[in-house]
Amino acid sequence: DAGVIQSPRHEVTEMGQEVTLRCKPISGHDYLFWYRQTMMRGLELLIYFNNNVPIDDSGMPEDRFSAKMPNASFSTLKIQPSEPRDSAVYFCASRSTGEHYGYTFGSGTRLTVV
Amino acid sequence: AQSVAQPEDQVKVAEGNPLTVKCTYSVSGNPYLFWYVQYPNRGLQFLLKYITGDNLVKGSYGFEAEFNKSQTSFHLKKPSALVSDSALYFCAVRDLRGGGNKLTFGTGTQLKVEL
Repeated sequence: DAGVIQSPRHEVTEMGQEVTLRCKPISGHDYLFWYRQTMMRGLELLIYFNNNVPIDDSGMPEDRFSAKMPNASFSTLKIQPSEPRDSAVYFCASRSTGEHYGYTFGSGTRLTVV
Repeated sequence: AQSVAQPEDQVKVAEGNPLTVKCTYSVSGNPYLFWYVQYPNRGLQFLLKYITGDNLVKGSYGFEAEFNKSQTSFHLKKPSALVSDSALYFCAVRDLRGGGNKLTFGTGTQLKVEL
């Protein structure tokens, strides 16, 4: 298994532009999580899905952020418009119901908004 | 609220010496506790977990953790550190809110193993 795959690995964009981050979870995993990592705030859960349905989006910072999971093998996190304070590493993670709540993380997308 | 605290931002040890990375928790009910490691420019990797059973949990790469209910601690340990163990270590707890599917992470401890 290739693990959780995220793209792109690095993204540099100008303030005001739309950014889309992508994630392919491990096949068979029915939970998908989006986390953001910054020096100031550490690891924050933004949103998670179960069977492609958003369950908890209470961590999404504001309306500029949106996430979708159109099928079991793909999810996107979109920021529109982007701002410099959105600069962070964004991680996707997945797990299956049968696991004892341990996650498998992707390698992350490092987003820089200038 | 479920939370974990990692009191040390950084831990330095000499190669070959034992290492301990500290974690304390605050939960209502029985805790589900985890340790993850993050190498530079990589995602978090699962090391070990405590769900129930023996208080000493063994994990990947020779790491182990001791669950101590009276001290509400879950410290990560390794008998003999390697330079390659240098990384960022996160303690995490299952968050019971919202169905118990979320993990809440500590702030991380940077481990540096020196020759």
